Amino acid sequence: DVKVTQSSRYLVKRTGEKVFLECVQDMDHENMFWYRQDPGLGLRLIYFSYDVKMKEKGDIPEGYSVSREKKERFSLILESASTNQTSMYLCASSWTTDTQYFGPGTRLTVL
Amino acid sequence: GESVGLHLPTLSVQEGDNSIINCAYSNSASDYFIWYKQESGKGPQFIIDIRSNMDKRQGQRVTVLLNKTVKHLSLQIAATQPGDSAVYFCAESGGAGNMLTFGGGTRLMVKP
Repeated sequence: DVKVTQSSRYLVKRTGEKVFLECVQDMDHENMFWYRQDPGLGLRLIYFSYDVKMKEKGDIPEGYSVSREKKERFSLILESASTNQTSMYLCASSWTTDTQYFGPGTRLTVL
Repeated sequence: GESVGLHLPTLSVQEGDNSIINCAYSNSASDYFIWYKQESGKGPQFIIDIRSNMDKRQGQRVTVLLNKTVKHLSLQIAATQPGDSAVYFCAESGGAGNMLTFGGGTRLMVKP
């Protein structure tokens, strides 16, 4: 079975803090994705990566950056967290851009 | 899939009945479709997929039907169980290099 893990299930941070969300997959997938999920807005793509050290902006990259130093690990960084970044963050990975397998999610609250 | 606004459509069924969850898509070039199940507080879980060269695919207790003519996808769950209670959403892809586009989801509630 594909396993995608995320470093934290719940996270509480203060406005202005730098936040790191880590994602690891164990299936040697080329592609990795970061989404945020908000009520009424569904899943929105923040960034994705199709190879080590490669990254592409998704639909809502503002306020976020990413890092992919190793194939199995994709990090989402909030340089200066703001309250409107309170959300559920979901990481996914895939062989192609078709079937994506998701991690359990990190519920981030920014106070 | 279509955005459904602030409130998810809800389907309420009796335990043991069959459930049908629908999804409309707009991109006629989409050739790959997936259904995901998301339980409260968890990440989406892959259920079943179908390519556009098929109109039906069956899994364990689940069947996906694809009608390309009207751009409609459905997920049928046989003998619905309390553990099936979740939000279900569809996703579509237009082919190699195209990203998945996700629908807004339908909440399935199973009454014991």
